[in-house]
Amino acid sequence: GESVGLHLPTLSVQEGDNSIINCAYSNSASDYFIWYKQESGKGPQFIIDIRSNMDKRQGQRVTVLLNKTVKHLSLQIAATQPGDSAVYFCAEAHTGGFKTIFGAGTRLFVKA
Amino acid sequence: DARVTQTPRDKVTEMGQEVTMRCQPILGHNTVFWYRQTMMQGLELLAYFRNRAPLDDSGMPKDRFSAEMPDATLATLKIQPSEPRDSAVYFCASGLDRASNEQFFGPGTRLTVL
Repeated sequence: GESVGLHLPTLSVQEGDNSIINCAYSNSASDYFIWYKQESGKGPQFIIDIRSNMDKRQGQRVTVLLNKTVKHLSLQIAATQPGDSAVYFCAEAHTGGFKTIFGAGTRLFVKA
Repeated sequence: DARVTQTPRDKVTEMGQEVTMRCQPILGHNTVFWYRQTMMQGLELLAYFRNRAPLDDSGMPKDRFSAEMPDATLATLKIQPSEPRDSAVYFCASGLDRASNEQFFGPGTRLTVL
């Protein structure tokens, strides 16, 4: 299946550089946030999550930052690789609930 | 490795026809979600189930869409009658009812209604 297309915000980075993808969420009651990666022709894939009692969480080459004051979430990818080219979605949810609301997505292009 | 499977992967049909999309969640998962993805609307939640019971289908047009889980290994999404505006990629996802809301997505069904 195609990822969301032409109207997405786009970030273009050089291979090896760090990438920062930003997201604003809407619901102050949301206490669980997730980043998903969607490659062309595939379904979204979980990358990393963070709960509202944290402001930073690190994974392998990825870091998620949460600023609850301004309802802002960011995903940092270190040493970006061509395989990181995809659409990235932030999503918000409430712990104990199941409804997950996805953002519009950001398309990341990695230039070799 | 465990994956969510969806069938068919592609479906082309004519307006007015019934469409049935199927999803097999990961064995042991007890939450199932249906999403629709279009260029204009992005990823929209249509319905979701917990332990086969529908929890929320407010995102779904009720007059033509229906979602069911006949058993724990099968979820279906039906559109009857289909319309051109239903053309989209439909994703199924499954998860575990626990603190994490992580969802595992299937490969999607690309639906084209002519």
